[in-house]
Formats: sequence, C-alpha cells, structure tokens
Amino acid sequence: NAGVTQTPKFQVLKTGQSMTLQCAQDMNHNSMYWYRQDPGMGLRLIYYSASEGTTDKGEVPNGYNVSRLNKREFSLRLESAAPSQTSVYFCASSRRGISNQPQHFGDGTRLSIL
Amino acid sequence: ILNVEQSPQSLHVQEGDSTNFTCSFPSSNFYALHWYRWETAKSPEALFVMTLNGDEKKKGRISATLNTKEGYSYLYIKGSQPEDSATYLCASYGSGNTGKLIFGQGTTLQVKP
Repeated sequence: NAGVTQTPKFQVLKTGQSMTLQCAQDMNHNSMYWYRQDPGMGLRLIYYSASEGTTDKGEVPNGYNVSRLNKREFSLRLESAAPSQTSVYFCASSRRGISNQPQHFGDGTRLSIL
Repeated sequence: ILNVEQSPQSLHVQEGDSTNFTCSFPSSNFYALHWYRWETAKSPEALFVMTLNGDEKKKGRISATLNTKEGYSYLYIKGSQPEDSATYLCASYGSGNTGKLIFGQGTTLQVKP
C-alpha cells in the first residue's frame, strides 16, 4: 500500500528558479492538502483541495500555486523560489474535507533555496 | 484565525513514567479534534480523531479525552517507553468548518532509558 507518495524527497534550488512538487494518493480520497513545516512553527496549511476541480488558500499561500490534476494528484508549484521557502513540505489526503477521518501524510519533501 | 495551543512545548521523562499533554482549542463551532504522532525523520501518523464531548479513546498505552464545552483535550501515555519519543500534534478545524485543519505547535516528548 503506497498511501501518499511525494516526489522528490530532496531538492536544492537557486533563488528565482521554479519547480513543482508532486503528490499522489491511491486511497480514493476526495481531499488533499499541502503543508509546510518550519522549526517552532508546526504544520501550516499552504493550499487545500476539497475535491477534484477545487482548490482553496490556506494560512500561507503566498508564493505558491497548486493544481488538482485529477482525484489522485495534487501538485504544488513555486514559480520563483525564495530563501524564505526553504522548508519541509508535506502532502496529505483525507476521505473528505471536514471529517471524523484522519489525514494521511506523505514522507515529505525537503527543499532548500540558496 | 483559530488558535490551537499545546502545552508543554517539550517534556523529558524517564522510562516507566506516565505523562500527559494538553491541547486547547476554541469551543465554538467545534467539529473534531485530531491527535497525531510524529517521529523524527518520518511523517505524522494519526492516533485519534475525536468528535463527541466526553469522548475517550485508547490505543495501547496511549489514551485521550475530549471536553468540547471548555475546549481542551488531554493525551496520556502510561509507562512511557523510549519508542514513545516523538512530537505529538493536535489539530482542529478552522471557524466555519471549512475543512482546513489547524495544527498546534506540538509537544515533543523525550523518554530516557
């Protein structure tokens, strides 16, 4: 059971470069999420997709865009990377947005912006 | 903005000690309270999702209680073991129940052998 798969696991970028973080889930979940984790800040929601075709901003959306490509895949794009975006990024999914079911997390992408 | 707060921020205990942490959240428009366990270099894993006032859930030596009227949840670990060392996160939904889960900053537990 793969669960939630994130690629890549590690990435180093230069300031101004762009890249897309990929996330796919095989649990037939409706809702998917992108979080960033910074020291002392806990998990902060970047973007959220309640269902295929819908996306919504979270707590820290500036500098990011997302695409819910289909029910399985939810990608996060940094158009022009900045050092402040150095972080560990987690993708998660759940059966539906507001739910008594837990979220399932990927293994994370460790991103460094030089 | 919903504030989910956890205390203490960190905790060091000896193997065999029992311990507990607190999660507080605004009680208005409550829908559910999540607890996750997060080991270093791994991803968060769900422990409990609690929805009813007075709810108690148990998983091995770990249990949790919920008070939605006063807006708090306790996580208990009985007879802590070194493998319990992790960060424990709680989370609740934002106002308006939009589906956006808001996480606390976590309690980091270190259990010494």
